[in-house]
Amino acid sequence: KQEVTQIPAALSVPEGENLVLNCSFTDSAIYNLQWFRQDPGKGLTSLLLIQSSQREQTSGRLNASLDKSSGRSTLYIAASQPGDSATYLCAVDYKLSFGAGTTVTVRA
Amino acid sequence: SAVISQKPSRDICQRGTSLTIQCQVDSQVTMMFWYRQQPGQSLTLIATANQGSEATYESGFVIDKFPISRPNLTFSTLTVSNMSPEDSSIYLCSVGLAGDSNTGELFFGEGSRLTVL
Repeated sequence: KQEVTQIPAALSVPEGENLVLNCSFTDSAIYNLQWFRQDPGKGLTSLLLIQSSQREQTSGRLNASLDKSSGRSTLYIAASQPGDSATYLCAVDYKLSFGAGTTVTVRA
Repeated sequence: SAVISQKPSRDICQRGTSLTIQCQVDSQVTMMFWYRQQPGQSLTLIATANQGSEATYESGFVIDKFPISRPNLTFSTLTVSNMSPEDSSIYLCSVGLAGDSNTGELFFGEGSRLTVL
């Protein structure tokens, strides 16, 4: 069974600093990996989808990389803002094995 | 993307009762899923809602406890039956837009937060 781990569990940074969120998975035979954002008590907002054949995806200040062979993905958020404060979840494949998330706080 | 509406957004229920959650999508979709997020936890897949046939349940979830309907390609319901406090969770509907392909992006509704007293 696919196990997905996210480190760190929580992160607090001052505004303007770059964020680096890590996701690892145990079975490298994946179709895709998706990053989500979840605000407290809310549903999930899709941020980036990386297919297994891709190495990275970019959207605005967000960049996600994928290294299937090592079972890792990294989400980079450049020049963080207080509005980036949320829980970030990574999930693998269409049935989505989810990590526990990284809760980010960006201090103004 | 897809616009996914869930009802109710939240509810407080008494032990032993049942509640049905509705999920409406603004376009026809093949793949629709139901997830549970227990307090402080990540998401766990309950089942895949199949149009015109019985839902496919994940290990640890059974039809008697979580009956699911999928009458058409834009709508599904999840019922949480005979509720106990352990069922207090956020229940989320999710859809995929890539037909039957498992390579597509998935989108989520806002969730239904249930509290069982």
